[in-house]
Amino acid sequence: EPEVTQTPSHQVTQMGQEVILRCVPISNHLYFYWYRQILGQKVEFLVSFYNNEISEKSEIFDDQFSVERPDGSNFTLKIRSTKLEDSAMYFCASSEGTFSNQPQHFGDGTRLSIL
Amino acid sequence: GESVGLHLPTLSVQEGDNSIINCAYSNSASDYFIWYKQESGKGPQFIIDIRSNMDKRQGQRVTVLLNKTVKHLSLQIAATQPGDSAVYFCAETPNTGNQFYFGTGTSLTVIP
Repeated sequence: EPEVTQTPSHQVTQMGQEVILRCVPISNHLYFYWYRQILGQKVEFLVSFYNNEISEKSEIFDDQFSVERPDGSNFTLKIRSTKLEDSAMYFCASSEGTFSNQPQHFGDGTRLSIL
Repeated sequence: GESVGLHLPTLSVQEGDNSIINCAYSNSASDYFIWYKQESGKGPQFIIDIRSNMDKRQGQRVTVLLNKTVKHLSLQIAATQPGDSAVYFCAETPNTGNQFYFGTGTSLTVIP
């Protein structure tokens, strides 16, 4: 069964450094998402991406964050200058259709630890 | 703001019994609902979905019930197995296509 893959599984970064989290969505999916989950808390939406542009973003997704689909298979989340509070699990997801149309399929996440 | 929450944070059931996990939501415009299962160290795994024009949907060993009158969603797992032990989240999105909102999760433990 096709799946969303994320790398690395664990990223440790010094505060203030830039970090790039990588995702390979399911190949025939058109919509891509990033979520985060702070330890012990609920999964929170960050951003959705379609047709090479952001379609929705939450208030968490401020100017420190950016997303990119640099080629036909990868989808990346960049945090420009990391803060301690950015420590969380980051999940990538993809779907064939929009939020209200098709389920989103998640990767196993990248655990980001900011020191 | 949105409020998607779960009535019980933990649930323990005997293997072979049926499990019922509940979820409340506050937005009457919520249009599409999904139940996800999250095992330790893994991402949310899709279980079953339901749209607001339905009140019941069945899958393999799972049934989702939607009561729009009281804004309540439930997940029923038949003949619960040890492999069902996980955290279960409900998630919803309104028909305006805005953000997907997750509940805080219910931890299901199956006792062999």
